[in-house]
Formats: sequence, C-alpha cells, structure tokens
Amino acid sequence: QSALTQPASVSGSPGQSITISCTGTSSDVGAYNYVSWYQKHPGKAPKVMIYDVTNRPSGVSSRFSGSKSGNAASLTISGLQAEDEAEYYCSSYTTSTTLVFGGGTKLTVL
Amino acid sequence: QVQLQESGPGLVEASQTLSLTCTVSGGSITSNTYYWTWIRQHPGKGLEWIGYIYYTGSTYHNPSLKSRMTMSVDTTNNQFSLKLTSVTAADTAVYYCARDRGGYGNPDSWGLGTLVTVSS
Repeated sequence: QSALTQPASVSGSPGQSITISCTGTSSDVGAYNYVSWYQKHPGKAPKVMIYDVTNRPSGVSSRFSGSKSGNAASLTISGLQAEDEAEYYCSSYTTSTTLVFGGGTKLTVL
Repeated sequence: QVQLQESGPGLVEASQTLSLTCTVSGGSITSNTYYWTWIRQHPGKGLEWIGYIYYTGSTYHNPSLKSRMTMSVDTTNNQFSLKLTSVTAADTAVYYCARDRGGYGNPDSWGLGTLVTVSS
C-alpha cells in the first residue's frame, strides 16, 4: 500500500488560515469517509484532531476542520496560533481493511 | 480515562525477535467498540500502521510486515502484544500502541511510545 501524499511543509502567520492536503486513491481516501488527521509534536504521541473526515474529538479547537472531495482530503486550521506548530499526518482506512498514513506535513507558524 | 503503556526491550539484536506489550488501564480490552493498534515511527520519518487486533483475536496487518509479525491479546491481564521476527536496522523506530474506535482509523488514545533500536 502506498502512503498518502501530503506537502512536506506549509507555513502561515498567526491569525491566518492554512490548508494541508492529503491525496490518495479510490481505494483509500475516495472509498470511505474514514480520513483522520493527527497533530504530532516532537517527542509526544500523536493526537487525533479530526476523524471520519469532518468530526472533531471532544476538546479539539473548532479552529480545526476537515473536508474531502473525491480522492483528496484537507485539513484547515484557522486563526493560526504558535502552539499549532507541529507535524500533521493524515490517515485513511482502505478497501484492503488496512490503514495508510500520509508522509506528514510540517507546519511552521511564522 | 483509558491509558496505554508500551513495554519491552529498547535494544534488539539484528535477526532476533522484537517483542512489545501494551498494558491497558482504565478500560477493558474486551470492549466491543475498540481495536487495539500498533503504529511506529522511524527516526525522522512518518507514521506507519503496523496492524490491529480485536479482543476476540481477529487481526489485521500491514501487508509489508505480515509475514514477520504476530499480534495477540491477553484479556486476563488487559494487555495486547506484538512480535516482529527477523528484525533489521529498518525496524528501528518508536513503537506506539493505541486504541482505535471502530477499527477505521480513529486511534483516540495512545501510549507514550517506546524506542526500539535494532543493533547489528
């Protein structure tokens, strides 16, 4: 199974909005509404920010939102804050009953 | 609040077997809602899904690792385990255990992770 495609890096200034893309295929992202997004700070465990494409777990800021169109999903962070600087990963359930991750995107808050 | 804790050797010799256990506290491993997951992160690289196991023993594997891995669940001790045989330097990684709600890629609780280094 091939990893989902994410940009290596994105950046934005405090208060701005950024979007991270996650491109897969009709066998993963396009097949189901089971895309998740994770935030990972160095040395810490990943934290789910979005699951099932658009759902936010309890306690996650409403500044984080997810969407999907066809074989591509997106994570949008609005009102960027310094604490949002981290690595972000997407994942998708696949038609092979496996899970595949994206390569990760480093978000820099300028 | 469920907590997960990985345990196992931090150093494994090449060609040997990597063995890790995840102890679950604050919740039952026999819940019919969750799948118990292993994920790893190679140094400086992205996340890689290893596989997950249901409390009944049903398992789902990453195809690239399937021939070398075994997962098991110990409902008595509320633990699940991973064994990976014939390890090489490419298996050096931080290994995380996690609880996946529904088994569709929603790991809502994670262990802190444990670094396993394969030495030659």
